[in-house]
Amino acid sequence: NAGVMQNPRHLVRRRGQEARLRCSPMKGHSHVYWYRQLPEEGLKFMVYLQKENIIDESGMPKERFSAEFPKEGPSILRIQQVVRGDSAAYFCASSSPTGRDEQFFGPGTRLTVL
Amino acid sequence: GDSVTQMEGPVTLSEEAFLTINCTYTATGYPSLFWYVQYPGEGLQLLLKATKADDKGSNKGFEATYRKETTSFHLEKGSVQVSDSAVYFCALRGSSASKIIFGSGTRLSIRP
Repeated sequence: NAGVMQNPRHLVRRRGQEARLRCSPMKGHSHVYWYRQLPEEGLKFMVYLQKENIIDESGMPKERFSAEFPKEGPSILRIQQVVRGDSAAYFCASSSPTGRDEQFFGPGTRLTVL
Repeated sequence: GDSVTQMEGPVTLSEEAFLTINCTYTATGYPSLFWYVQYPGEGLQLLLKATKADDKGSNKGFEATYRKETTSFHLEKGSVQVSDSAVYFCALRGSSASKIIFGSGTRLSIRP
């Protein structure tokens, strides 16, 4: 059973460009969570999605950040007009349909903004 | 709001030493508590968990006991190995929430 997959693993963008991060949950999991890890810090919750629905986006910055989890395909975290402060590791986790089971984490996407 | 405070690192120990990483939490209700481990360049792996007071989570020689009276979930291992070198995160999930709240992490280095 393949784990949570994220791509790309490393992403380099210049200031002002867009970054798209993808997450494919574990088979059978319909709940996805995105977390951000700034250098030398813990993970901070960003958003929780189910298929076609955003359940909790209380950790998302108000501007430039958006997330979706369409009926078909991976979940996407989109960052528009990136700034240097967006440089971080972005982790995706997934859980089973009950939503309260263990969250399984992907390997992360390390975003570097030049 | 809910929060997790854990011992600051880095922590450096010799192989076979005893390990304790302190973790305390603030939460309403009855949260679930976790320890995650992050090896260099990798994502997080769940190390152990406990879902109610006095539960003891254990895995790979690591243990942690859910202490509601002291709001603590300290991680312990009797004899560490070089391969235990990693960053350890204490975390909680509130009883009415799905998101996980993480501590800031403790970097552990084990000398041969």
